Amino acid sequence: GQQVMQIPQYQHVQEGEDFTTYCNSSTTLSNIQWYKQRPGGHPVFLIQLVKSGEVKKQKRLTFQFGEAKKNSSLHITATQTTDVGTYFCAGLYTGRRALTFGSGTRLQVQP
Amino acid sequence: GAVVSQHPSWVICKSGTSVKIECRSLDFQATTMFWYRQFPKQSLMLMATSNEGSKATYEQGVEKDKFLINHASLTLSTLTVTSAHPEDSSFYICSARGTSVIYEQYFGPGTRLTVT
Repeated sequence: GQQVMQIPQYQHVQEGEDFTTYCNSSTTLSNIQWYKQRPGGHPVFLIQLVKSGEVKKQKRLTFQFGEAKKNSSLHITATQTTDVGTYFCAGLYTGRRALTFGSGTRLQVQP
Repeated sequence: GAVVSQHPSWVICKSGTSVKIECRSLDFQATTMFWYRQFPKQSLMLMATSNEGSKATYEQGVEKDKFLINHASLTLSTLTVTSAHPEDSSFYICSARGTSVIYEQYFGPGTRLTVT
């Protein structure tokens, strides 16, 4: 079936270190979105990637969409304590209205 | 950004009773809303896709007679958990799809349901 795998499940970094989470789909995605969920909160939309090989930046966050539109990554440079939370990728498959969420990567930042 | 509200934020009910959860898009019209269930430290599990004025589309394994979804207007969708059991205890989150070409989803704050 169509599913989006996300790794790692959990990452603990020292403040200032970089962080990357990866998502992979067995089949081609129409687009991929990224969300952040703070502890006790709800997912908040970060960005959408649509084009093959697309790279987008938001301050210290860099999002990439693979050439085959099957994988994506989120990289955070010089993490801060405010980056703490769970990052989810969510893929949209052609013909589906609903997103398929990855399992999420929980980021903990040690000050 | 677009705001989605959800009510109640938490509810405790007795086994066998029914609970209704409301999801509203406050400043935009949402033709499509989604209902998710999330267990602690886990991902969001899509339960159903709700379209205004039509029947919801349920994901495989989700009992439509147990989780009744009504999308009565462009700003309101409701989820009713009927004859609730302790295993229905979970965090239920709704989302509404934006109207821009991006189709990002805006999530409600969630409802924590505890069935005793």
